[in-house]
Amino acid sequence: AQKVTQAQTEISVVEKEDVTLDCVYETRDTTYYLFWYKQPPSGELVFLIRRNSFDEQNEISGRYSWNFQKSTSSFNFTITASQVVDSAVYFCALITGGGSEKLVFGKGTKLTVNP
Amino acid sequence: DAGVTQSPTHLIKTRGQQVTLRCSPKSGHDTVSWYQQALGQGPQFIFQYYEEEERQRGNFPDRFSGHQFPNYSSELNVNALLLGDSALYLCASSLAQGGYTYEQYFGPGTRLTVT
Repeated sequence: AQKVTQAQTEISVVEKEDVTLDCVYETRDTTYYLFWYKQPPSGELVFLIRRNSFDEQNEISGRYSWNFQKSTSSFNFTITASQVVDSAVYFCALITGGGSEKLVFGKGTKLTVNP
Repeated sequence: DAGVTQSPTHLIKTRGQQVTLRCSPKSGHDTVSWYQQALGQGPQFIFQYYEEEERQRGNFPDRFSGHQFPNYSSELNVNALLLGDSALYLCASSLAQGGYTYEQYFGPGTRLTVT
């Protein structure tokens, strides 16, 4: 069975602070894909990143960076110099290989960035 | 380039009634997945349609059914509504490419309230 755990339910920071959102996943498959989505108050899930299980390179995109560590089954997301517009619920999700198209989501972390 | 669209935006129904939700995929996509998101939870996979067939199904009762049309748009039907069916229903589209999984793009969702 696949499972995604986001232990942080809510995080509140002040603008310009760095913040890391944790994600731990469970799967027995060797081929899988990990995702991060952002859900602003409007409700629409916005795709942020996809990583496959064979690529452990960290990735940076502007103020966003992701740290993928298979040894600890973690795929953490860091926002540098947070902004008010970053306030949203962030979801980590997993798809296993073999043709499965079912995204398994964590419960999400609500990030509030205060001015 | 139109993204994923869903209708209606909001819906209020009474227990025992039936409801139909609609989704048009992102241009160029051929696969549609449906998710149910209860308040404060991550989305839960309902099912996925590809080539007008249900390709994969999550742990939802038969009251939940769907359909995909030749133009790739899709409908989600829920019969005999229960209070517990109140949720945000999200549609996601993707492109099937040789069995590999790529990112799913989500629509804004339909907020269903059952009274």
